[in-house]
Amino acid sequence: DGGITQSPKYLFRKEGQNVTLSCEQNLNHDAMYWYRQDPGQGLRLIYYSQIVNDFQKGDIAEGYSVSREKKESFPLTVTSAQKNPTAFYLCASSIVGGSGTTYNEQFFGPGTRLTVL
Amino acid sequence: SQQGEEDPQALSIQEGENATMNCSYKTSINNLQWYRQNSGRGLVHLILIRSNEREKHSGRLRVTLDTSKKSSSLLITASRAADTASYFCATEPGTGRRALTFGSGTRLQVQP
Repeated sequence: DGGITQSPKYLFRKEGQNVTLSCEQNLNHDAMYWYRQDPGQGLRLIYYSQIVNDFQKGDIAEGYSVSREKKESFPLTVTSAQKNPTAFYLCASSIVGGSGTTYNEQFFGPGTRLTVL
Repeated sequence: SQQGEEDPQALSIQEGENATMNCSYKTSINNLQWYRQNSGRGLVHLILIRSNEREKHSGRLRVTLDTSKKSSSLLITASRAADTASYFCATEPGTGRRALTFGSGTRLQVQP
């Protein structure tokens, strides 16, 4: 049963704590992404990775960190430097087309809702 | 940055009616995609249209793309209560980073 999973579904954090959100995929996708979604808003890109051991900052990377040690896994750490971390976090994956290809359909996990107490 | 902006922000219709959502974007694109999100869930890919295509169909979905106006529309025909969700357009840029930029979404409510 192929897919992309995120854990936990709900996460509560005290101010000043770092927390790590898990994202795993068994779709054999090279690319993985992290998005943040605030209530009633669209998705904003935090970090993305096109290949193992490499990743790039998205539009709102400050206060977040990632690693990509394995193709299947792309964990996101929300650090204490992120001033307003309460949000819904979505992970996605996709194949990587070569230059000239134009498809990049993304497959999403079910999300993690992070609340800061 | 929000490349795509959807219009309207919210739409309420009766079952059986058609629903039309629009998306505008700012820069050149490789493709434009539409996604659906049920409340509190992840997104599901609906349809992708390439920059050299003008119209695409998938079941009850029809997507158009006008690159000269930098706009796209999603039409859902014969809507059902189960179509109630938020719909997002996303663009893959023609140059630069290989990542999608999502719009702010249209919340569709289909009344039974």
